[in-house]
Amino acid sequence: QKEVEQNSGPLSVPEGAIASLNCTYSDRGSQSFFWYRQYSGKSPELIMFIYSNGDKEDGRFTAQLNKASQYVSLLIRDSQPSDSATYLCAVREDDSNYQLIWGAGTKLIIKP
Amino acid sequence: DTGVSQDPRHKITKRGQNVTFRCDPISEHNRLYWYRQTLGQGPEFLTYFQNEAQLEKSRLLSDRFSAERPKGSFSTLEIQRTEQGDSAMYLCASSPSNEQFFGPGTRLTVL
Repeated sequence: QKEVEQNSGPLSVPEGAIASLNCTYSDRGSQSFFWYRQYSGKSPELIMFIYSNGDKEDGRFTAQLNKASQYVSLLIRDSQPSDSATYLCAVREDDSNYQLIWGAGTKLIIKP
Repeated sequence: DTGVSQDPRHKITKRGQNVTFRCDPISEHNRLYWYRQTLGQGPEFLTYFQNEAQLEKSRLLSDRFSAERPKGSFSTLEIQRTEQGDSAMYLCASSPSNEQFFGPGTRLTVL
């Protein structure tokens, strides 16, 4: 059973601080990794994807991938109350399979 | 608006009735996915299409669920003889290759 694990939270972070969200996955052959943000009652919104080991930065967001340790993380700098949402990690297994395996999400609360 | 659209946004039905949902993907995207999501869970894969071909269907999906994408553009998801356990958000996503972009979802409530 291929799995993606996330701490359900809630993770509470003061406004202006760095929020760190983590995700581990079971399939060592996984190739592509995605972070989605989901506000309550809304659908998931793609915010970052990463394919190679290391860091990828986009504005206040940084995705970090470590394939050897099988984890991917999302850092949010200068956290804002509008960042309060559930963050979903999704993993694509390999080039022949376009399905994503999803984590259950981490609820993030940014406190003013 | 050139994003993924879904219709209806909300559906309330009685147990035993059939329901059909529609998804219009982003026009140049050849892959289309259907998911179901319940509170506190990530999206659960139902099925996906590449153009008009249905390439995979979840083993968890009962025979009451069927999906079509007849011309490789819009798709429909039908649930026959609905059960209370079918109450969920039904999400459609389209993809040009790797990244998936979601529509607003259809929230189904089965009474």
